[in-house]
Amino acid sequence: KAGVTQTPRYLIKTRGQQVTLSCSPISGHRSVSWYQQTPGQGLQFLFEYFSETQRNKGNFPGRFSGRQFSNSRSEMNVSTLELGDSALYLCASSPSGWDTGSYEQYFGPGTRLTVT
Amino acid sequence: GENVEQHPSTLSVQEGDSAVIKCTYSDSASNYFPWYKQELGKRPQLIIDIRSNVGEKKDQRIAVTLNKTAKHFSLHITETQPEDSAVYFCAPSNDYKLSFGAGTTVTVRA
Repeated sequence: KAGVTQTPRYLIKTRGQQVTLSCSPISGHRSVSWYQQTPGQGLQFLFEYFSETQRNKGNFPGRFSGRQFSNSRSEMNVSTLELGDSALYLCASSPSGWDTGSYEQYFGPGTRLTVT
Repeated sequence: GENVEQHPSTLSVQEGDSAVIKCTYSDSASNYFPWYKQELGKRPQLIIDIRSNVGEKKDQRIAVTLNKTAKHFSLHITETQPEDSAVYFCAPSNDYKLSFGAGTTVTVRA
C-alpha cells in the first residue's frame, strides 16, 4: 500500500497570507490527524478527523482549521499567517475506528511551511 | 491536558550496549502507549506500541514496558546499532490525540 502523502512538501508564504495543505491517507484509513512540529514546541496535536467530522481538537487558535472529504483525504488551512506558524506540518492516518482501541498512526513526510 | 515527560533528553551509547528511555504521563485515562522514531529530515515512524492491558511487549531488539500504577512506560533497545541513532518520542493517549514527549536524542557510537 502507498503511504501517507502530503502536498506540497515545501511552501514559502508571507505574513498575513493564508495557506492550504493537503493530506492523502493510506488507502482504507479513515482517521486523519494533523500535527505541528517546531524545534521549540516539539510535536503538537492540531486536530483529528474521522468520517468527515472533527473528533478531536488541540489548543491552537481558530486561524487553524481543517476538513476531511468523503474519500478520507484531508486539508488544513491556516489564515492570517504569522511568523510563528513556520513549522513542519505532519499528517497521520489511522486504520481503525473509534471503538477498537487501536490508535496507531502513520505519518506522512510533512509540509515544511516558512512564513516570511 | 496530558503532561508528558521523557528522560533522558539525550543519550549516547556504545554500539552493542543497551538504551533505555522513560516516559512519564499524567492522565490516568491513557490506555495506548506508542514509541516513535524520527531520523533527521524524516517522518516519525511507529516502532512499537502497547495497550494498557499488557505489561510488556517485545519486537526483536526493542521492547516496551508499562507501569500503569506509576504512570510511566519505557523503551528498551538492546544490542544498539548505528542505525538506531535518531530522536525517539513517546506519545501516550486514550484516543487519536497523541501527546508527544519532548523527545530523546539517541546517538550510537561506533
